[in-house]
Formats: sequence, C-alpha cells, structure tokens
Amino acid sequence: QKEVEQDPGPLSVPEGAIVSLNCTYSNSAFQYFMWYRQYSRKGPELLMYTYSSGNKEDGRFTAQVDKSSKYISLFIRDSQPSDSATYLCAMSKTSGSRLTFGEGTQLTVNP
Amino acid sequence: EPEVTQTPSHQVTQMGQEVILRCVPISNHLYFYWYRQILGQKVEFLVSFYNNEISEKSEIFDDQFSVERPDGSNFTLKIRSTKLEDSAMYFCASSDPREFPYEQYFGPGTRLTVT
Repeated sequence: QKEVEQDPGPLSVPEGAIVSLNCTYSNSAFQYFMWYRQYSRKGPELLMYTYSSGNKEDGRFTAQVDKSSKYISLFIRDSQPSDSATYLCAMSKTSGSRLTFGEGTQLTVNP
Repeated sequence: EPEVTQTPSHQVTQMGQEVILRCVPISNHLYFYWYRQILGQKVEFLVSFYNNEISEKSEIFDDQFSVERPDGSNFTLKIRSTKLEDSAMYFCASSDPREFPYEQYFGPGTRLTVT
C-alpha cells in the first residue's frame, strides 16, 4: 500500500466551479500536511500548511484534515483559469522532516 | 520576496559523467533539502542537511550522491557517475527551523538529462 494516495486526474471544471482535491494516507505518524501547486516544469509552490485536524481557510482555498480517517482535502472556491496546475499533497512526520508527496492531481479550469 | 534559486536550469550529460547541481537557499534558512521528480512521477525526497551534516536521507541517496555547503550561500548536489535513470527534475528546498512550522520552499528545479 502506498503511503500517500492521490487521484492523478485529470480534472476539468468550468470557471467559477468549486474544486475538491483529496489525498489519503496510511501512516498515522504523519502529523503535518501541505498542499503545493506546481505549474508545468516549475517547482512546487506552497499553498496551505496544516498540522491539526479541522479546517484552515486562506482566501479561496480551504484545507481540511481528518486524522481519524487519514484523509486530507483542498477546496478551491470560485475557480479561475489561473488555478490550472497540478496540485500536490505532501505530508511529514515532524515539522521540517522529509516530505512524502502524492502523485499530484492535474486540474484544468476552463474559461 | 526571497526565493530559492537553482543553476543550471537544464543540464545535459553523458552516462558515467559527474554532475554538480547548485542551489542558493533563502538567506536566513538553515535546513536544506534535495528532491527529485522523474517525468510523470511523484516528487521524491533525496536528502536533508542541517548544521553542516546530513540529517536524513532516502534509499535513493546512495554512494553516488553527495551534498555540500561549500560556502555561506550555496548548497550543492553531486552525482558521481550518472546513470540514465538519474534523468529527472531536481528540486532544492529550504526552511527556517526558527519559524514553526518549518515550511519548505522549493526552487524552480534543474532538469538533468543523462544520455
């Protein structure tokens, strides 16, 4: 079983839609959870960072962590064409330790 | 805004040659990392470096790989004898352990092509 699983998509939505991206993990030692955005042939860019169960909101983005179910989500409200990218979930056991990434979900927001 | 920089952006080398990939982390950061991403695959951790020594490494980071902080600003990854399967994007990242949580900021990557 993979430590982190993420549906690679691709996911295509119309502009303005609410997007839901998800990851599951198997290792309960993971305590810190991140979402990165990666444009084609660029480095991952940190979007959200959480370390407790519950929701964290930043503008149009909401990160949700459910440690009991080993499930994390990223919601994007009012999606824009500029949100088109690959979204990577990542997690670590301690703050600053190695990140374990999901496969990434390729998102396209159509005007 | 401070950012991690990497050079070169693209490196082409022949199998068996040595390559050095260079990174300049964010200036006040103290933790440094290398990750790689083979085309179409997930980002994978290689090594982390703190206080002038390796703090953690993956099974990928074998004797062919080494890291160094030769001065106060650069952080390098050396591959001694490149193989075809080393072809990938290599990302450097850095974080500041004085700012909890230690968010890792990534550079733009070096595309390594081994022929």
